[in-house]
Amino acid sequence: SYELTQPPSVSVSPGQTASITCSGDKLGDKYASWYQQKPGQSPVLVIYQDTKRPSGIPERFSGSYSENTATLTISGTQAIDEADYYCQAWDSSTPYVFGTGTKVTVL
Amino acid sequence: QVTLKESGPALVKPTQTLTLTCTFSGFSLSTNEMRVSWIRQPPGKALEWLARIDWDDDKFYSTSLKTRLTISKDTSKNQVVLTMTNMDPVDTATYYCARMSAAPEFQHWGQGTLVTVSS
Repeated sequence: SYELTQPPSVSVSPGQTASITCSGDKLGDKYASWYQQKPGQSPVLVIYQDTKRPSGIPERFSGSYSENTATLTISGTQAIDEADYYCQAWDSSTPYVFGTGTKVTVL
Repeated sequence: QVTLKESGPALVKPTQTLTLTCTFSGFSLSTNEMRVSWIRQPPGKALEWLARIDWDDDKFYSTSLKTRLTISKDTSKNQVVLTMTNMDPVDTATYYCARMSAAPEFQHWGQGTLVTVSS
């Protein structure tokens, strides 16, 4: 079965840039999305179709991808960005797989 | 405004069948390209997609759980129902429903409902 691997944790200082990677075989050939989940809350879509940002999501959130990796970048990280982040991939042969999740800590 | 809310039992016994209902507003599941999925999250663990139902009643299931899941919809009530048979303690999780459209991402999520499997 298809797997997506994320680093368990990422630490960042306020105002700095946080990068969260998501690795999977030929991930660049699939659509990737990113979700933010704060404690006790439901996930929120922050990036879809690799690089697009839903309305209402701050511009400091951006997405990029390469052959086997998708990356979520948070520029100018704020304390309110502290959360768990999950990537998710889809194509016609890989329905809705989620990554292992990354806890972002703003120190 | 799109909203979804999950409902169902908080506690089920091993081997029982779980029935969860997702009641939504702000869209119709009879509209082309509308879809609703169920996703679960065991405590402290990652998200897992379970099933999807489309506006045209097409249904899709997680390969690993396919034999235990049934998804259905009642368009007139704006509801989607998920049943999972033969519940086990490892199925303890928060169960979410989420709206999708033609695109492969989960755009709107319900608040989730925690289901504990214990005797």
